[in-house]
Amino acid sequence: EDQVTQSPEALRLQEGESSSLNCSYTVSGLRGLFWYRQDPGKGPEFLFTLYSAGEEKEKERLKATLTKKESFLHITAPKPEDSATYICAVPARTGGYQKVTFGTGTKLQVIP
Amino acid sequence: DSGVTQTPKHLITATGQRVTLRCSPRSGDLSVYWYQQSLDQGLQFLIQYYNGEERAKGNILERFSAQQFPDLHSELNLSSLELGDSALYFCASSVDGRALGEQYFGPGTRLTVT
Repeated sequence: EDQVTQSPEALRLQEGESSSLNCSYTVSGLRGLFWYRQDPGKGPEFLFTLYSAGEEKEKERLKATLTKKESFLHITAPKPEDSATYICAVPARTGGYQKVTFGTGTKLQVIP
Repeated sequence: DSGVTQTPKHLITATGQRVTLRCSPRSGDLSVYWYQQSLDQGLQFLIQYYNGEERAKGNILERFSAQQFPDLHSELNLSSLELGDSALYFCASSVDGRALGEQYFGPGTRLTVT
C-alpha cells in the first residue's frame, strides 16, 4: 500500500537554528510530491510541488528537495513565524482510484 | 487567502442529528475534495467531485454523502452524527480532476458533536 511517513513528528528549534524535515514515501510510479504548511485550526497552505528526483524549489527560508525515496524540507535560519505543521503528500492510486495521500506532518516550533 | 470558502466555520450539534457543510471552490477549479481531520490526526480523504460528478471515494462513511452542483459549489451531508464525527472538515479544490496537481484548501468547518 502506498505510504507517506514524516519525521520527526515534532521539532523544536531556536530562532536561527537551521534544520531539515523528512518525508519518505513508498508509491509506485511517483507523479509528484507536495508540501503544505498548516497553522493550528486552519486549512493547509500549498507550498511546493516537486516532480522528479533532483528537483529543488525554494520559498523564502524554505527549500524542498526530492530524491527517489524521500523529500526534505530544509529550513534556513527559521523565525518564530515559521512555526507550523509541515505536511507532505503524494498522489497515489489506491483501490482503483487516484487520490492524494497525506503524511501526518512535522510540527515545528521556533523559539525566539 | 486560498480563494476556497467554507461555511459555516463552526457547528455544534447533538448526536443523531444531520448537518450540511458547504464549500465554494476557487474560480476556475472544477475539482472539489472533502477531507476530515480529527484532533492531531492527518488529513483523511473522504470524496472527490469533478465538474459535478463523483470522481473518487475514500474513507467516507455511509452516513456521509456529498454532491457538487452546476455552479461547482459542493455540500457534504453528515447524518446520524456520533461523538466520533467531531473533527475539522476541509474542502479543497484544484483545476486537475485526476488528483495529480496541488490542491487549495478552505479554512475548514469545525464540527462538534455533543
